[in-house]
Amino acid sequence: DAGVIQSPRHEVTEMGQEVTLRCKPISGHNSLFWYRQTMMRGLELLIYFNNNVPIDDSGMPEDRFSAKMPNASFSTLKIQPSEPRDSAVYFCASSLPAYGYTFGSGTRLTVV
Amino acid sequence: GDSVTQMEGPVTLSEEAFLTINCTYTATGYPSLFWYVQYPGEGLQLLLKATKADDKGSNKGFEATYRKETTSFHLEKGSVQVSDSAVYFCALSGGTSYDKVIFGPGTSLSVIP
Repeated sequence: DAGVIQSPRHEVTEMGQEVTLRCKPISGHNSLFWYRQTMMRGLELLIYFNNNVPIDDSGMPEDRFSAKMPNASFSTLKIQPSEPRDSAVYFCASSLPAYGYTFGSGTRLTVV
Repeated sequence: GDSVTQMEGPVTLSEEAFLTINCTYTATGYPSLFWYVQYPGEGLQLLLKATKADDKGSNKGFEATYRKETTSFHLEKGSVQVSDSAVYFCALSGGTSYDKVIFGPGTSLSVIP
């Protein structure tokens, strides 16, 4: 298995632009999670899906952030418009219940 | 709600020293407990896990025992190497958080030759 695949690995964009991060979970995993990691705040859960349905989006910082999971093999996290304070590493993870996560390698986002 | 507390560090050890990173948790029910490791520039990797009381998880020389009476899951290694330098996260799932994993703040470990 190729593991959880995220793209792109690095993204540099200008303030105000739309950014789309992509994630392909491990086949058979029924839960998918988006995290953001910064030095200041550590690891923050943004949203998670179970069987493609959003279960908890209370961690999404504001309306500029949105996430979708149109099918079991693909999810996106979109930021529109982006701001410098959104600069962080964004991780996607997938899991089966109580078995722990498998994380992707992350997308390092820099908004200038 | 469920939570995880761990020593925040940073921890600096000499090669071959003994490592302990303390972790305690708060949860209702019977959560599963995990240690994750994050090497520089990479995502988190599952290091070991334990799913019930008195279970011992082990991997790559690291061990942790699920202690329900003290609600603890301390990580230990008898002899650390420079390659063990990373950030270590204690975590739980189950309890009231269902399939969501609750992470501690992470402990940075640096091992010097």
